[in-house]
Amino acid sequence: AQKVTQAQTEISVVEKEDVTLDCVYETRDTTYYLFWYKQPPSGELVFLIRRNSFDEQNEISGRYSWNFQKSTSSFNFTITASQVVDSAVYFCALRSGNTGKLIFGQGTTLQVKP
Amino acid sequence: DAGITQSPRHKVTETGTPVTLRCHQTENHRYMYWYRQDPGHGLRLIHYSYGVKDTDKGEVSDGYSVSRSKTEDFLLTLESATSSQTSVYFCAISVRGSGGAPTDTQYFGPGTRLTVL
Repeated sequence: AQKVTQAQTEISVVEKEDVTLDCVYETRDTTYYLFWYKQPPSGELVFLIRRNSFDEQNEISGRYSWNFQKSTSSFNFTITASQVVDSAVYFCALRSGNTGKLIFGQGTTLQVKP
Repeated sequence: DAGITQSPRHKVTETGTPVTLRCHQTENHRYMYWYRQDPGHGLRLIHYSYGVKDTDKGEVSDGYSVSRSKTEDFLLTLESATSSQTSVYFCAISVRGSGGAPTDTQYFGPGTRLTVL
């Protein structure tokens, strides 16, 4: 079975703190893709990153970084020097197979306080 | 902006009435999806389409039907709405890859908030 678990339901930090959002996935496929999406209070879903199962290189984009570890089936997301605008719900998702269907985690609500 | 619109954006209806939600895209993508978002569940796939008149079920398809008579439109119908179908509904597209398989990222529409009283 395919499954994505985001064990952290809610996280609250103070601005400028670093924060890591955890994502653990389960799949038997050898080829799969992992995603992170951001859902700000306005409600839209914003794509952040896609990672292929055969590419374990970590990625950094500004204050955002992602750590992909196949050995632990994890794809964690770190925000460095958090800002109030980072307050949102963050979803991790898994896709495998040719239909493109996504399996989402339950989401982590991040609150960044000024 | 992936050129996806959803209508209506908000709807309140009564139990037992039929409801149709529309997803419209402007970029001729082959694959389209309907998800629902509920607290504690993230997003769950209802139905998807891989071409005109080609659709298949997702994990929470009971009580829903879909149709795709044109590439640009993917309709989600609740034949007889129930309170358990109160949710936020998102449409998504996945761009075409080589051989027709969806290899790229899914982009989402703005969502429709449906309340069934």
